[in-house]
Amino acid sequence: NAGVTQTPKFQVLKTGQSMTLQCAQDMNHNSMYWYRQDPGMGLRLIYYSASEGTTDKGEVPNGYNVSRLNKREFSLRLESAAPSQTSVYFCASSASDYGYTFGSGTRLTVV
Amino acid sequence: EDQVTQSPEALRLQEGESSSLNCSYTVSGLRGLFWYRQDPGKGPEFLFTLYSAGEEKEKERLKATLTKKESFLHITAPKPEDSATYLCAVQVSGGGADGLTFGKGTHLIIQP
Repeated sequence: NAGVTQTPKFQVLKTGQSMTLQCAQDMNHNSMYWYRQDPGMGLRLIYYSASEGTTDKGEVPNGYNVSRLNKREFSLRLESAAPSQTSVYFCASSASDYGYTFGSGTRLTVV
Repeated sequence: EDQVTQSPEALRLQEGESSSLNCSYTVSGLRGLFWYRQDPGKGPEFLFTLYSAGEEKEKERLKATLTKKESFLHITAPKPEDSATYLCAVQVSGGGADGLTFGKGTHLIIQP
């Protein structure tokens, strides 16, 4: 099983550019999440989707949008990238209260 | 506000030198406490979930314990391959956003 797959692995954007981070899971999990990880800040929740067709804001949603395309896929979109969005982005999925499974991350630099 | 504090921030041990990592939490209602391991350049890897005070779980050289205010990750006779950042996270009962609230992690280095 691939688990949680994120694409791309690395990306450099110019300020103001847009992009979509893709995430797919093959574990039939209902819930999916987007986190960002910054030095000294830990992992912070951006958006989550408890089930197909629903999305909700997390701790740091400003500047992002999400789409739960189907049960497998959950994308994160930056409409106008800013240097403050330079970070490592992780997608995760879970089934009820069992441990969340994380992807390997997307390292985004905004210049 | 839910808070998770991990200590120490960094820990350097000799191979075979046992120690403990601490995770203290302040939440409105604990649904579960999670431990993860993260290697450089990779995503967090699930280790344990603890649900109630007094619960303990073990995996190889690691044992996690839980009280009403904190959790410990005990590492016994560590090896260099145990070097990683260990993350603690809580899931809160009811209300608000789903997902986990993470601590900032403990960076563990095991020297041969």
